[in-house]
Amino acid sequence: SQQGEEDPQALSIQEGENATMNCSYKTSINNLQWYRQNSGRGLVHLILIRSNEREKHSGRLRVTLDTSKKSSSLLITASRAADTASYFCATDGDSNDYKLSFGAGTTVTVRA
Amino acid sequence: DAGVIQSPRHEVTEMGQEVTLRCKPISGHNSLFWYRQTMMRGLELLIYFNNNVPIDDSGMPEDRFSAKMPNASFSTLKIQPSEPRDSAVYFCASSLQGWAYNEQFFGPGTRLTVL
Repeated sequence: SQQGEEDPQALSIQEGENATMNCSYKTSINNLQWYRQNSGRGLVHLILIRSNEREKHSGRLRVTLDTSKKSSSLLITASRAADTASYFCATDGDSNDYKLSFGAGTTVTVRA
Repeated sequence: DAGVIQSPRHEVTEMGQEVTLRCKPISGHNSLFWYRQTMMRGLELLIYFNNNVPIDDSGMPEDRFSAKMPNASFSTLKIQPSEPRDSAVYFCASSLQGWAYNEQFFGPGTRLTVL
């Protein structure tokens, strides 16, 4: 079953604009991860944020985590055509079995 | 490192045939995951191995599906007999599990079409 749910399902922006997508989850977590999937490819890990962290940056990516609201957001700044992809959040639950539950994803299209 | 290797990349078969998907995880990783991705159901975890031992196979749809990991560098997912509803992209992922991190590295996937 899917633990995380992304919002919106799809997003279309102009190159140079920022893209923001949100993830909500249901149970307690140890950490939350964001992955990117380009068309026809496997998922690629972008960033991991631990449950005791509130914000994390990696290049043009900014992730926030609000455990009280069980939600996270991913911001991509100054988007490029190469950012066109589907983005998934993944949560591990609060057990130690290392399984990840992936959301349905947000499809981002960056127009040149 | 070559990353996670999956074969074949594409497989087209007829209903009732046996299908075997293969995965070579990243050297040194101790966990391996098989996922299935469809438009309708998204990304589903089928089974998960840790140190070559199956830990959780609750996502395996039915007895037609089986998975093995005979050693740390090889795993197979078998479907016998295959059905059209098994058509999907199957991903293998591996990770080095630890208390502070569990980033997964995905292979390119096998696109399975069952006619």
